[in-house]
Amino acid sequence: DTEVTQTPKHLVMGMTNKKSLKCEQHMGHRAMYWYKQKAKKPPELMFVYSYEKLSINESVPSRFSPECPNSSLLNLHLHALQPEDSALYLCASSQDPVSTDTQYFGPGTRLTVL
Amino acid sequence: GDSVTQMEGPVTLSEEACLTINCTYTATGYPSLFWYVQYPGEGLQLLLKATKADDKGSNKGFEATYRKETTSFHLEKGSVQVSDSAVYFCAPHYSLGSNFGNEKLTFGTGTRLTIIP
Repeated sequence: DTEVTQTPKHLVMGMTNKKSLKCEQHMGHRAMYWYKQKAKKPPELMFVYSYEKLSINESVPSRFSPECPNSSLLNLHLHALQPEDSALYLCASSQDPVSTDTQYFGPGTRLTVL
Repeated sequence: GDSVTQMEGPVTLSEEACLTINCTYTATGYPSLFWYVQYPGEGLQLLLKATKADDKGSNKGFEATYRKETTSFHLEKGSVQVSDSAVYFCAPHYSLGSNFGNEKLTFGTGTRLTIIP
């Protein structure tokens, strides 16, 4: 099973809302990732969580905050987002956070900020 | 910094035509090389990969060879099908050092491929 699941599939929120995106994998992978993909653009890495350590892309605003409740779950908490944050948010996982390992992607959450 | 240059799209071909999508990468360190495919409305799927020089990745009739001397990883298929219509991303996976994790998958701009029956 090489499945990464994400919920919800679609999310519409206002700029004052607080919401969370969820990502789950049951492959025993030790690294999980959040990417942001704008329309007709490649994915951009936001966060990496591996071996209980979070690595952050410094260009990501603080209104995005990841949380890893356990080794198979990675949440992305959203607060006070802006319309330009509307995008497809992709979660991925890999056995280890090394260059030779394949990253397996979920189907994504399509977020619209009004 | 590390980067990847991918053939601009969109590319439109007739069914059974030959396909080549060019990809070159900057040769910092020794990246692993990946091709991912994204079908409409879906996430990314691994198409193929190569982790060292002269390795050939292959899957579903697609092939790409890790060419260290030309820093290239061109995607090829001899006879495309309508079901191959998708966006294709070339993605070297580099080591970053200490600033942002240790490894980063760097995506090219993507090439949108449309196959006409």
